[in-house]
Amino acid sequence: EPEVTQTPSHQVTQMGQEVILRCVPISNHLYFYWYRQILGQKVEFLVSFYNNEISEKSEIFDDQFSVERPDGSNFTLKIRSTKLEDSAMYFCASLLEAVDTQYFGPGTRLTVL
Amino acid sequence: DQQVKQNSPSLSVQEGRISILNCDYTNSMFDYFLWYKKYPAEGPTFLISISSIKDKNEDGRFTVFLNKSAKHLSLHIVPSQPGDSAVYFCAASPRGATNKLIFGTGTLLAVQP
Repeated sequence: EPEVTQTPSHQVTQMGQEVILRCVPISNHLYFYWYRQILGQKVEFLVSFYNNEISEKSEIFDDQFSVERPDGSNFTLKIRSTKLEDSAMYFCASLLEAVDTQYFGPGTRLTVL
Repeated sequence: DQQVKQNSPSLSVQEGRISILNCDYTNSMFDYFLWYKKYPAEGPTFLISISSIKDKNEDGRFTVFLNKSAKHLSLHIVPSQPGDSAVYFCAASPRGATNKLIFGTGTLLAVQP
């Protein structure tokens, strides 16, 4: 069964450093998403991406964040200058237009020291 | 942001009995609702969904009920099994093309053998 994959599973970085989180969505899906879950809190929407551009972004998704689909398979989230409060699980999801169900990857745990 | 609420942080049920997980929402623009199951350090796994044009959807042991007038939905699991023990998230999607999901805070279900 096709699935969303994410790398790395755990990323540790120093405050102020740039990180890139990688996702490979399900191959025939057209919509892509990033969510995050801070420990003990709810899963929060960050950004949606369709047709090579951002469809919607939340207030969390400020200028420090960017997304890219550099080729036909990868979908990346970049945080330019990480802050302590960016520590969270980051989940990628993808959706096929005809089916309104988002499928999530296993997540990347980002720890900012 | 309390648009989707799960007021019970935890629920304990005996194996073989019914589990009922509840979810309330406030935004009348939501027209698609989903339940996800999540284990620690994993991504949310889709369980079942329902469109606002329906009031019930069933898939095996899982049934979701939607009461639009009360802005309430529930997930019934019958019979409950120990493998069902996980955190269950209710999510809602507002009308529009981006399909972003708004998640509840989750309910930890423990099914006792």
